Amino acid sequence: DIVVTQSPLSLPVTPGEPASISCRSSQSLLHSNGDNYLHWYLQKPGQSPQLLIYLASNRASGVPDRFSGSGSGTDFTLEINRVEAEDVGVYHCMQALQTPPTFGQGTKLEIK
Amino acid sequence: QVQLQESGPGLVKPSQTLSLTCSVSGGSISSGDYYWSWIRQHPGKGLEWLGYIYYSGTTYYNPSLKSRLTISVDTSKNQFSLKLSSVTAADTAVYYCARRTVINHEFDYWGQGTLVTVSS
Repeated sequence: DIVVTQSPLSLPVTPGEPASISCRSSQSLLHSNGDNYLHWYLQKPGQSPQLLIYLASNRASGVPDRFSGSGSGTDFTLEINRVEAEDVGVYHCMQALQTPPTFGQGTKLEIK
Repeated sequence: QVQLQESGPGLVKPSQTLSLTCSVSGGSISSGDYYWSWIRQHPGKGLEWLGYIYYSGTTYYNPSLKSRLTISVDTSKNQFSLKLSSVTAADTAVYYCARRTVINHEFDYWGQGTLVTVSS
């Protein structure tokens, strides 16, 4: 199985400040079609995960443009350019190149 | 708007079979564009993919659970189901159903989740 590792696991952020989460995979997630099969989800407190970013850098429908994803191969980053209170929760990255799809441990973002 | 809703017992005894159903509304489960999935989350832990099914009945299971897991689909009811046999306390988790796209492989819609506790 592909192992996905996130860091940090806990991320306290002051509102209005930027935030960055790293996701690394044990194998390249770059498909021969040129897409990286890495997705990001946000799980707000008491809710199910919701899709934020698909294929490493594409915002899902309705996702604010303060969220952006980048990276290729084995190293990926989720950035929030100005954190708002509603952004609290656990951020999960997931590789979808190989079956079984596997998730990182999750990064808990909290407001300072 | 697509909605998924899990249903089933919240308490299962050890060694018994855990059974859940996911009802899909706002879209057809017979669409060839999606796989219909089960994912679980142990308390305070990360997400674990269990398996998914295509409308045709083709299934893919996590090898770690394959011997105990069965996923089925009922297109007439727009539902799909999970059965996990010989459960132990380690199967206590929130179980989610979710829709996965065929093209990009992301889970784009999720149910709200249902907590299943394994205890005597």
